[in-house]
Amino acid sequence: AQKVTQAQTEISVVEKEDVTLDCVYETRDTTYYLFWYKQPPSGELVFLIRRNSFDEQNEISGRYSWNFQKSTSSFNFTITASQVVDSAVYFCALSEARGNTGFQKLVFGTGTRLLVSP
Amino acid sequence: NAGVMQNPRHLVRRRGQEARLRCSPVKGHSHVYWYRQLPEEGLKFMVYLQKENIIDESGMPKERFSAEFPKEGPSILRIQQVVRGDSAAYFCASSPRQGDSMNTEAFFGQGTRLTVV
Repeated sequence: AQKVTQAQTEISVVEKEDVTLDCVYETRDTTYYLFWYKQPPSGELVFLIRRNSFDEQNEISGRYSWNFQKSTSSFNFTITASQVVDSAVYFCALSEARGNTGFQKLVFGTGTRLLVSP
Repeated sequence: NAGVMQNPRHLVRRRGQEARLRCSPVKGHSHVYWYRQLPEEGLKFMVYLQKENIIDESGMPKERFSAEFPKEGPSILRIQQVVRGDSAAYFCASSPRQGDSMNTEAFFGQGTRLTVV
């Protein structure tokens, strides 16, 4: 069975600090996708990144970066120079890659609440 | 910007009433997924539908819950005889047709927050 663990329930930082959100996953599949979503206080889900299991290159997008390590089954997310607007709950998720079925059943972690204070 | 549209955004029902949640997928998307988020928890998969077909309902409670995605119109998640434990945010996501979905993510709607009083 697939499982996603986000051990950090809540993290508090002061603006401009760097912060890393941990994500550890379990799957028997050799091909899968990993995702990060942001859920701000308004409640919607904002897609941040999707990563294929065959692509272990780290990715950087502005202040966001992701470290995918298959050897440790981790897909950690770092925010550099955090801002108050980064305050949200962040979810890591995992899905199987089922060929051309179009099926994207996501298994979510329980989320990490990030509080960035001025 | 015709993303996934869910309505209503907020729904209040008394115990025993029925709740109907609607989801209009991104135009051209033929796959719809429903997820439930209980307070302070992550999202849990409920059901996956294609037009007129339920493909996987392994996450649906066995009773009172049903979902449909008709040929025309939005997908509907229906909860009969609601109880307080049904209070949650219900999210709908859609993705493109078979063959295209490997290169994109599922687009989520803004969710419907159901409160049972």
